[in-house]
Amino acid sequence: QTVVTQEPSFSVSPGGTVTLTCGLSSGSVSTNYYPSWYQQTPGQAPRTLIYSTNTRSSGVPDRFSGSILGNKAALTITGAQADDESDYYCVLYMGSGTWVFGGGTKLTVL
Amino acid sequence: QVQLVESGGGVVQPGGSLRLSCAASGFTFSSYGMHWVRQAPGKGLEWVAFIRNDGSNKYYADSVKGRFTISRDNSKNTLYLQMNSLRAEDTAVYFCGKDAKYSSDYWGQGTLVTVSS
Repeated sequence: QTVVTQEPSFSVSPGGTVTLTCGLSSGSVSTNYYPSWYQQTPGQAPRTLIYSTNTRSSGVPDRFSGSILGNKAALTITGAQADDESDYYCVLYMGSGTWVFGGGTKLTVL
Repeated sequence: QVQLVESGGGVVQPGGSLRLSCAASGFTFSSYGMHWVRQAPGKGLEWVAFIRNDGSNKYYADSVKGRFTISRDNSKNTLYLQMNSLRAEDTAVYFCGKDAKYSSDYWGQGTLVTVSS
């Protein structure tokens, strides 16, 4: 069974830039997987940041961007702010109407 | 604005059943596919099921296939998740999401399902 991989944790300094990645245990992520990214703080619903690789969801600031870097999907946050400290999840479309989430990355801003 | 409101969660015994609802507003419900996603306590997100806009096709995660049924009533702008043969590992907050290009762009606040004797 294919596993979607994410860094378990990451830290960034306020004002800094961080790139989180989303890979596959076997194979490369491409735009055909329509990678999406969600932000979630404890006890809250997910918030969609990016869908279909690089489309920002409504109201999401342009310091969040999505791309394909090498064989992985990537979420880049520029000018990190304190309230960016959250869990970030990617999800990939695996075909045949099914999706698989990554395990999430806990981002610390300090 | 888009609103999704889940309901129907609660405490149920193992082997029992529960039906979740998701009331949608602020968009043309019948034009969009819909997802159910869940999150067990302290764990990550897990995709559960997807239904096309007209209900013609339904898809499930292996973990719920044969036990859960996703459905919708476009006349009532409501999405459903019928959950049967519930297990302790189905304990989670269940979120509904509006589809957007093979993803979900809006989410509800979730409803908690606890499977316990």
